[in-house]
Amino acid sequence: TQLLEQSPQFLSIQEGENLTVYCNSSSVFSSLQWYRQEPGEGPVLLVTVVTGGEVKKLKRLTFQFGDARKDSSLHITAAQTGDTGLYLCAGASAYTGTASKLTFGTGTRLQVTL
Amino acid sequence: DAGITQSPRHKVTETGTPVTLRCHQTENHRYMYWYRQDPGHGLRLIHYSYGVKDTDKGEVSDGYSVSRSKTEDFLLTLESATSSQTSVYFCATRDSRVGEQYFGPGTRLTVT
Repeated sequence: TQLLEQSPQFLSIQEGENLTVYCNSSSVFSSLQWYRQEPGEGPVLLVTVVTGGEVKKLKRLTFQFGDARKDSSLHITAAQTGDTGLYLCAGASAYTGTASKLTFGTGTRLQVTL
Repeated sequence: DAGITQSPRHKVTETGTPVTLRCHQTENHRYMYWYRQDPGHGLRLIHYSYGVKDTDKGEVSDGYSVSRSKTEDFLLTLESATSSQTSVYFCATRDSRVGEQYFGPGTRLTVT
């Protein structure tokens, strides 16, 4: 069974601060996705990273896929209250037989206050 | 937005009763998934479908069954609900061309 561990589990910061969320595994993934989920709603895809070492930017959010495709990070610059939510990473198996399934991390709950 | 709806959105049922949750999509996506979300466990895959009448088990499939008779509908059935199946259930679809999954709004199920 593939496992994805996220850290930290909870993060409470003030608006304007920077933060980094980590997603780690001992397994290799063909791609990794980051989702944000707000209370009472389903997760919404933020980004997909595919290539080892890849860096993608989405406004103030920077996503990086590890060189070995086993880990990823999400960095938020100058956090805003609208960034509050549950952040989930999800890895797609590198093996063709299970390529259609994702393994989700346990999530990082971010609270940004004024 | 992949046009995914789930019904019901909330349900309270008693232990031992059968329950069916419905997922409906309008995007003609080939793959459909059922997850449950519980504190400390994240999203765990229950069952998934890779086409009409083609389904397979996920990591937490015990006590659940699924059916997919049409591309747009994926049903999750709890044959005899137990308190451990109290959870929030999410349906997701995937466009096989790109790999991203799109989620529905969820169903909150409480088994008393």
